[in-house]
Amino acid sequence: DAMVIQNPRYQVTQFGKPVTLSCSQTLNHNVMYWYQQKSSQAPKLLFHYYDKDFNNEADTPDNFQSRRPNTSFCFLDIRSPGLGDAAMYLCATSREALDGDTQYFGPGTRLTVL
Amino acid sequence: GQQVMQIPQYQHVQEGEDFTTYCNSSTTLSNIQWYKQRPGGHPVFLIQLVKSGEVKKQKRLTFQFGEAKKNSSLHITATQTTDVGTYFCAGLGDSNYQLIWGAGTKLIIKP
Repeated sequence: DAMVIQNPRYQVTQFGKPVTLSCSQTLNHNVMYWYQQKSSQAPKLLFHYYDKDFNNEADTPDNFQSRRPNTSFCFLDIRSPGLGDAAMYLCATSREALDGDTQYFGPGTRLTVL
Repeated sequence: GQQVMQIPQYQHVQEGEDFTTYCNSSTTLSNIQWYKQRPGGHPVFLIQLVKSGEVKKQKRLTFQFGEAKKNSSLHITATQTTDVGTYFCAGLGDSNYQLIWGAGTKLIIKP
């Protein structure tokens, strides 16, 4: 019954080594989001896709990129991870736009940067 | 920019005591959502409030949206160990479609 699936659950990478996190959904939702959450902090929105339209938050570093090849899948690429990028990365979906629609979160991928 | 302040950051209670967390926005909100994140888990949607002065209940949880739609609260009556976690409010601003998250209140049950 998993609705938002994230792989892997734990990812270890080296400083500067590119890494890709994946998210898939079985809800057929139009919107997919990527959040970064550091310890004891609220989730921070990095970007979201409304269907194929990509929406980047103004303060998201260029080091973070995303791809959504189809409705079900969305990827987060970190081109050159730094120590400060170690965090939990949460994928979420909603049926429609941010306008008051419930977000369903995946279990997250915890990224460690060595 | 628009901010949602949430207090307290932490609350320690004995099991059976009540718990309340408050959110205040610098501007009017279209709606406010509440999420719960268990330790090591991911945020899970609890409820959405849309109307001015709205009050909604889920068993021991009571959610309120202020008359001016700038503040909200979550009250848990007679806390249980299963209530442990961080409670986040997230508000949708009138002027844009960005969900603004509060910093969260961590509920800790004292042994």
